[in-house]
Amino acid sequence: GQQLNQSPQSMFIQEGEDVSMNCTSSSIFNTWLWYKQDPGEGPVLLIALYKAGELTSNGRLTAQFGITRKDSFLNISASIPSDVGIYFCAGGIQGAQKLVFGQGTRLTINP
Amino acid sequence: SAVISQKPSRDICQRGTSLTIQCQVDSQVTMMFWYRQQPGQSLTLIATANQGSEATYESGFVIDKFPISRPNLTFSTLTVSNMSPEDSSIYLCSVDKGNTDTQYFGPGTRLTVL
Repeated sequence: GQQLNQSPQSMFIQEGEDVSMNCTSSSIFNTWLWYKQDPGEGPVLLIALYKAGELTSNGRLTAQFGITRKDSFLNISASIPSDVGIYFCAGGIQGAQKLVFGQGTRLTINP
Repeated sequence: SAVISQKPSRDICQRGTSLTIQCQVDSQVTMMFWYRQQPGQSLTLIATANQGSEATYESGFVIDKFPISRPNLTFSTLTVSNMSPEDSSIYLCSVDKGNTDTQYFGPGTRLTVL
């Protein structure tokens, strides 16, 4: 079945630094989504991408849908303490109306 | 987006018992989903809850263990049956409002089985 490889698994950065994470697959996806999950909470949708090559921003967050439809990245600029959490990518399987999730990237910020 | 609530938010249960988790949405949705998130892991789809028909289960999940109800377009339940400690996880429901593969998640139910 389809699998997503998300990297890095964890990041330890200083406040104010920029962050970059990505997801790749050998399969083509119809949709790419990025979620953030805080401890004890459900995942919250950050950015949704629907077209190959699409570049979308949400405040300090920017994400792109890879032109091959097999990858996506998420960038966070000028990180702040509330950016701490686990970030998940998810790919929408064409015609199946369901998502496959990456393994997550745990972001830790040193003040 | 959608406002999604789950009950209970957490529970501690004894081995061999069953727990029913409720998911309520603030608007009618066609697609509802149930996921399991084991400690420190990613999300795994259990099943798609279809209104008016049986749920569609993913490989490795069966109806006898995880029966699902979907009586209307705003509500669904997931039962975790005959629980064992291996069932200790966070159980999440999600909805796709516009059939666009864009899912919104509830807050989750944290289940601990002793």
